[in-house]
Amino acid sequence: QQQVKQSPQSLIVQKGGISIINCAYENTAFDYFPWYQQFPGKGPALLIAIRPDVSEKKEGRFTISFNKSAKQFSLHIMDSQPGDSATYFCAASPAGGFKTIFGAGTRLFVKA
Amino acid sequence: NAGVTQTPKFQVLKTGQSMTLQCAQDMNHNSMYWYRQDPGMGLRLIYYSASEGTTDKGEVPNGYNVSRLNKREFSLRLESAAPSQTSVYFCASSETSGYTDTQYFGPGTRLTVL
Repeated sequence: QQQVKQSPQSLIVQKGGISIINCAYENTAFDYFPWYQQFPGKGPALLIAIRPDVSEKKEGRFTISFNKSAKQFSLHIMDSQPGDSATYFCAASPAGGFKTIFGAGTRLFVKA
Repeated sequence: NAGVTQTPKFQVLKTGQSMTLQCAQDMNHNSMYWYRQDPGMGLRLIYYSASEGTTDKGEVPNGYNVSRLNKREFSLRLESAAPSQTSVYFCASSETSGYTDTQYFGPGTRLTVL
């Protein structure tokens, strides 16, 4: 069973719009929540990450919102650009590290 | 600085054949990982090595073995390949546990088992 549930599977957004990807987890042992971006034919690369002691983290056009009580977190991409077209994975790591669990991924397409 | 390199890039095997996927990193990282990526499943951890000389099972270790040859290299071996092992395999490394430090991924090996 998937410990980190990610939605939607795919997303089409107009250039300049907001892309929103949601994730939910069950295991309260998770203590670190990174998001990875993957372009076709490449390995994933860290985009942004958050600890549960903050409710929001912003880096440029990318923002993570975190709701600890609901065990949900989301990625918002503001002013989406065609260059943002990629697959995005949310993930969760336990406090001890090593065993990071990834969501199933969201394929984002930004229309010019 | 090449980061994480993987060989080969592509491989086709017949059921029952064996092969070893190679991974090397030049960032002096302590920890290394092997993941498989399947459509609709995200990335799943096969094995990891917290430091040179140690290896541990991840989420989906059955059918695989690993060797941490030295600090730089971490190999993944399929002893008797099965069609269910058709996947894209990624190696990654991190400075420590990957808990709050970044995992750096290689470009992947696309494996098809017929």
